[in-house]
Amino acid sequence: QKEVEQNSGPLSVPEGAIASLNCTYSDRVSQSFFWYRQYSGKSPELIMSIYSNGDKEDGRFTAQLNKASQYVSLLIRDSQPSDSATYLCAVEGGDKIIFGKGTRLHILP
Amino acid sequence: KAGVTQTPRYLIKTRGQQVTLSCSPISGHRSVSWYQQTPGQGLQFLFEYFSETQRNKGNFPGRFSGRQFSNSRSEMNVSTLELGDSALYLCASSSSGIRSNEQYFGPGTRLTVT
Repeated sequence: QKEVEQNSGPLSVPEGAIASLNCTYSDRVSQSFFWYRQYSGKSPELIMSIYSNGDKEDGRFTAQLNKASQYVSLLIRDSQPSDSATYLCAVEGGDKIIFGKGTRLHILP
Repeated sequence: KAGVTQTPRYLIKTRGQQVTLSCSPISGHRSVSWYQQTPGQGLQFLFEYFSETQRNKGNFPGRFSGRQFSNSRSEMNVSTLELGDSALYLCASSSSGIRSNEQYFGPGTRLTVT
């Protein structure tokens, strides 16, 4: 059974600090990795995708992938109250995409 | 550019009935994927259609089916509804598919089965 694991949180981070969200996956043949942000009562929004080992930066967001350790993470720098949301990790492999159950992030003003 | 639209937004059905949900992707997008979101199971992938062909499929029973039309609009059908099918059903639109770095979700259809 292919799995994607995330700490459900809530993860509380002071405004202006770095928020670190982690995700592990079980399927070694996974090819594509995604982070989605979902505000309460809203649909998910794709914020980062990463396909190869290493870091990928986009504005205040950095995705990190380590395929050997089957680990993907999302760093949010200079956290803002508007970053408070649930963050979903998604892993694509073979012919399907599997989501973690999400980490609730709370930015403390 | 209009976003992804889903109809209806809310639906109440009785056990044993069937239901059809509709998704209109962003203009020019050929991939539509469907998802079920529940508090217990989270977000789960149902299937993806690309240019009228089902390209990928998740682990859902055959009661869940779909199709895509030549204008890329997609429908999802659930037959013989069960109480456990109560969920938010989301579709996502993309130009190239579920591996793409662009996926745009619609607002969802909230299905309640009584």
